[in-house]
Amino acid sequence: GNSVTQMEGPVTLSEEAFLTINCTYTATGYPSLFWYVQYPGEGLQLLLKATKADDKGSNKGFEATYRKETTSFHLEKGSVQVSDSAVYFCASQLGGTSYGKLTFGQGTILTVHP
Amino acid sequence: DTEVTQTPKHLVMGMTNKKSLKCEQHMGHRAMYWYKQKAKKPPELMFVYSYEKLSINESVPSRFSPECPNSSLLNLHLHALQPEDSALYLCASQAQAEAKNIQYFGAGTRLSVL
Repeated sequence: GNSVTQMEGPVTLSEEAFLTINCTYTATGYPSLFWYVQYPGEGLQLLLKATKADDKGSNKGFEATYRKETTSFHLEKGSVQVSDSAVYFCASQLGGTSYGKLTFGQGTILTVHP
Repeated sequence: DTEVTQTPKHLVMGMTNKKSLKCEQHMGHRAMYWYKQKAKKPPELMFVYSYEKLSINESVPSRFSPECPNSSLLNLHLHALQPEDSALYLCASQAQAEAKNIQYFGAGTRLSVL
């Protein structure tokens, strides 16, 4: 079946520290991969995406590379800010009869201190 | 414009009440979704509509009744809910259900069942 395994955390960092949140997937096909972010009291916002192997998604200083050989899509940021404090979800999506269903990881709570 | 609008933002209801959640998008998307999210958990898919037809029902109890009156609107009718149904209800849309697309989320309705 399809599944996403995500480093759960919580992760606590000081401002300007380097961030890595690990995400690995299993899928019966070739999924698209996403990172969504959820700020307190809000819905999910797309942070970045990749649709095929070796694609790199990037946005707001965050990056993730679709690694087919390791079935991974780890999220990185070189220097986090307090405003990055949020919950981060890795997700995969297959086309066809799955009707766009997103398979989510468990989420990682990130707290950044000044 | 990538906005999915949900109303109301907050809802408190008793177990004998009938209420409805509303979701609207004007991006021309033909796939719309309802998710349920409990605190500190990933969203769980409830229903998928594709071209205004119900395509997926993830074994959701009948006290939740979805409706898609047209391609821009999605409703979730609630009746005789239980306290354990208290959660954040998220609506999402994407261009087409059969393809791997970006799914855009609304801010959600926070439901409390007393």
